[in-house]
Parts: sequence; structure tokens; C-alpha cells
Amino acid sequence: AQSVAQPEDQVNVAEGNPLTVKCTYSVSGNPYLFWYVQYPNRGLQFLLKYITGDNLVKGSYGFEAEFNKSQTSFHLKKPSALVSDSALYFCAVRDRGGANSKLTFGKGITLSVRP
Amino acid sequence: DVKVTQSSRYLVKRTGEKVFLECVQDMDHENMFWYRQDPGLGLRLIYFSYDVKMKEKGDIPEGYSVSREKKERFSLILESASTNQTSMYLCASSGQGAREQYFGPGTRLTVT
Repeated sequence: AQSVAQPEDQVNVAEGNPLTVKCTYSVSGNPYLFWYVQYPNRGLQFLLKYITGDNLVKGSYGFEAEFNKSQTSFHLKKPSALVSDSALYFCAVRDRGGANSKLTFGKGITLSVRP
Repeated sequence: DVKVTQSSRYLVKRTGEKVFLECVQDMDHENMFWYRQDPGLGLRLIYFSYDVKMKEKGDIPEGYSVSREKKERFSLILESASTNQTSMYLCASSGQGAREQYFGPGTRLTVT
């Protein structure tokens, strides 16, 4: 079975400060890892993914994420937060050896960036 | 741009009614998914389909069924709506392999 843990319900940062949104995962094999963002009253938007190769993955809106196999983590980061980054963020995992494309999502973390 | 559309943004139904939620994607994706989103629970997979007329149960299929008669269209059916099915329903599609899923805007269903 595959699972995702997003240990915080909410992350609060000041505009201009770096932000980190945490995610740990569990799969039986090697993972595909994804981050999505949901703005109020909108569907989920894809931010970035890790498939293979470089552990640091760059995505949309200046976000990046670091894959750490030993810690089974895939934390989302941004060097300088914007108020417009305030949203709900979901981490998702899929077992690379799985027979289908089923993703497992975490509960989501609310990011609040204050001016 | 991939586009996933859902038939309604908001829907109010009565207990016991049969409810149809429809999803259409325009990118010739093989895979389509239905999730429900509830506060504190994240996204939970109801059903998915990897080909026309093929379907697989997700994590919470009870009380739901699906239909995929055409590649671009995936319907979620609530045979007899209940109040505990009040939720946000999200449809998604993806290509094969490690492709990301693309989501529709969601349908907020209220069952009274």
C-alpha cells in the first residue's frame, strides 16, 4: 500500500521569507512524487513532479521540491514567499512499479503568507 | 492546454435522488478519475478508469458507480444520494506512465 503524510495542517510565513511545506511518503517500490496547489474555489493545479534523476525538482511559480530517499521525504520549498502563494497544497505519491496510474494524496496543508 | 470540464459547479439534490456527475477531457487521455474532497481528509479516490468500458474501485466506492462509454467522458453516479455524500467532487485525467493528473474545477454537491 502507498501513503502520504503531511504532518502540519497549516504553515504560516511572512511575505519575502522562505517557505517549506513538508511531505513524507511510503511505497513498496520506488516512487513517483507530485505536488499540487488548490486556490479557493478552484480545482487542483499541478506544480511539479519527481520521476527520476536530479533530487531537486523545479516547478511552476518558483516552487521547487527535494526528493530524499533515505528520509522518504519530498518537501516543497520556495526561497521567497508571496501573499498570492496562500493556498492549499497537496502532496501525492504513486508506486513506480504499480500496475495502474492511481495516486494517493495527503490531507493537504494550508499555506498562509502574511503581508 | 489540457482541459477537464465538469457538468456543474454547484448541485443541490434531495436524499434518495439519483445523481449524475459528468466529466469530459479533451486530451485523449487513457486514464480518468473521480475523487471526493472533504476538509481534513484530503482527496479520496472513488473510482478510476484506464480505458473505455473499464473501471476499477478506488478507496471509497461504496454508494457510487461509474460509466465510461467514450474515451473522453467519465460519469459518476450516485444511485440513491445520502446526506453523507455532500462533498466536493473532483474529476481528473492523465496519460500513461508517470504523467501528472489534470483536474476539473470540481462540483460542490449538497444533499438535503
